[in-house]
Amino acid sequence: QVQLQESGPGLVKPSEALSLSCAVSGDSISSGFYWGWIRQPPGKGLEWIGSIYHMGTTYYNPSLKRRVTISVDTAKNQFSLIVTSVTAADTAVYYCARYGWLAVGAGWFDPWGQGTLVTVSS
Amino acid sequence: QSVLTQPPSASGTPGQRVTISCSGSNSNIGSNTVNWYQQFPKTAPKLLIHSNDQRPSGVPDRFSGSQSGTSASLAISGLQSEDEADYYCAAWDDSLIGPVFGGGTKLTVL
Repeated sequence: QVQLQESGPGLVKPSEALSLSCAVSGDSISSGFYWGWIRQPPGKGLEWIGSIYHMGTTYYNPSLKRRVTISVDTAKNQFSLIVTSVTAADTAVYYCARYGWLAVGAGWFDPWGQGTLVTVSS
Repeated sequence: QSVLTQPPSASGTPGQRVTISCSGSNSNIGSNTVNWYQQFPKTAPKLLIHSNDQRPSGVPDRFSGSQSGTSASLAISGLQSEDEADYYCAAWDDSLIGPVFGGGTKLTVL
């Protein structure tokens, strides 16, 4: 079955960049799905960060767009997230997920990676 | 503050039927389909309902979804103790050009 696994540093200093990767197994990242990042601050709800198609098309949450870059590496079958100029407000569990869709406006995240906690602190 | 509005908590006793509401606007629920996710503590969310009322393989038919206008609902019938979790609604938003989530509802089985 399809599995996603996030990896990256668990601790990032304020003003630095957060960098995570998501390895995909059981499916090709070029299979026609979008691939996305979602985060969840401790004790809070879910926030969509952005999504990417294997051809490179990206969509970002406008509230984060200025600081976020999502890229795909088809050779490694993985995609990555970079968030620059981080603050304590970026402390969260970061999830990667596959975004399946029937049409524009009719999509869903499934499956999800297990998530990785990133703490922003000096 | 989340784009979609859910009650922060809900509760029921075993065997009861409970519903969780999700309120949005014309740019999201009013024009796109709704998904529901179930999340247990310290675990990743899991897709529960997609396309308003479709259950993925493996999801019990005790779970059902509906959508009307700019609102949606998740119903759980025959409530069981293992249903105690957080539930999130989500939908594509035409203004954001991306998916938006509700703030989540913590379901307690009394």
